[in-house]
Amino acid sequence: DTAVSQTPKYLVTQMGNDKSIKCEQNLGHDTMYWYKQDSKKFLKIMFSYNNKELIINETVPNRFSPKSPDKAHLNLHINSLELGDSAVYFCASSQDWAGTEAFFGQGTRLTVV
Amino acid sequence: EDKVVQSPLSLVVHEGDTVTLNCSYEVTNFRSLLWYKQEKKAPTFLFMLTSSGIEKKSGRLSSILDKKELFSILNITATQTGDSAVYLCAVVDNYGQNFVFGPGTRLSVLP
Repeated sequence: DTAVSQTPKYLVTQMGNDKSIKCEQNLGHDTMYWYKQDSKKFLKIMFSYNNKELIINETVPNRFSPKSPDKAHLNLHINSLELGDSAVYFCASSQDWAGTEAFFGQGTRLTVV
Repeated sequence: EDKVVQSPLSLVVHEGDTVTLNCSYEVTNFRSLLWYKQEKKAPTFLFMLTSSGIEKKSGRLSSILDKKELFSILNITATQTGDSAVYLCAVVDNYGQNFVFGPGTRLSVLP
């Protein structure tokens, strides 16, 4: 019954590897987001998709590539992982892009060693 | 560039105290301001404010927005240890595409 679910919850990997984080929402929302929360707990938006279309692409290295196969899914693929990529990544969704509240997944703690 | 500032960044109180958390913002084409509570994992939604002067209330929590002075406050009365969390403020622009979060206020409620 989880509204926004992310997998995996924890991910430990070596520098240089490629990894993906999956996100699914069962709320019927049109808009999905990826956020990065750094060690200081600062949440910063990375990407936003509305109905599978990329809306926001903040200044994020192009090693990060979001993919939205349908509006219920927004996956995040990261190439050539670096130590600085270690963070908690949150997926979120909102009903539309009109500023309604966003519901967050439980986060994926990525540790790059 | 859109900006959200929260104060204090950290607060320690005892159970039963009342706290006021502040959020000020600068955003082009403001649409709404949201408060979230983040405990160990995901932020959970508390309030969404779009109009000035209308208080939103949920149990011991309440919040109000001042669009003229560009700030919002979150009040928690009769605090409990379960209120210990980071409280995040976010603003959304009129295009609704971008949630800009503040740094959060870390509240610790001691028994």
